[in-house]
Amino acid sequence: DQQVKQNSPSLSVQEGRISILNCDYTNSMFDYFLWYKKYPAEGPTFLISISSIKDKNEDGRFTVFLNKSAKHLSLHIVPSQPGDSAVYFCAASEGTSGSRLTFGEGTQLTVNP
Amino acid sequence: NAGVTQTPKFRILKIGQSMTLQCTQDMNHNYMYWYRQDPGMGLKLIYYSVGAGITDKGEVPNGYNVSRSTTEDFPLRLELAAPSQTSVYFCASSTDRVYGYTFGSGTRLTVV
Repeated sequence: DQQVKQNSPSLSVQEGRISILNCDYTNSMFDYFLWYKKYPAEGPTFLISISSIKDKNEDGRFTVFLNKSAKHLSLHIVPSQPGDSAVYFCAASEGTSGSRLTFGEGTQLTVNP
Repeated sequence: NAGVTQTPKFRILKIGQSMTLQCTQDMNHNYMYWYRQDPGMGLKLIYYSVGAGITDKGEVPNGYNVSRSTTEDFPLRLELAAPSQTSVYFCASSTDRVYGYTFGSGTRLTVV
């Protein structure tokens, strides 16, 4: 039972264009969502998060959108840079589970120069 | 600023052998976690701890054990290695969910 799903295993975009990474969830109790970025041979690093009381959060080139009715969130990267090439994981938690996170499968983003 | 340190980085085990994956954090985080990452499967929670002396099972605890005798250390024990335990193991720590986790660089384990 995959409660957090990232249906696109990979995404390729041109440098300077927008990258949009998608994530769907099934557990309506999730109330906090995070995105992590992972380079090869390294651990994931925290990128950006959003609480369920918001529908948008921005941090520089990164924006996360949350659509609670559709149980869908997306990460927008504008403009995309070659250094953004990495695996991106979506994660979610519910208040009753404390800080435990449920992760999606990940999307490999490749930004071509 | 070491963060979360995992050792070893790589290990090959034979079926039935035992080993301990070490994890240490120097940020005084109360929460610590062990995840495994299989190809195309994301990260699955094995065990977690909310403080010294307190541990609990995650999604996939079978075949593993943990202990948390200090705030800093959270070792993961494999007692009888099986090929299904071939994976990349990540340890992480956090203060709470709002600020996200700090992950170690991982241990790549192969059981043959």
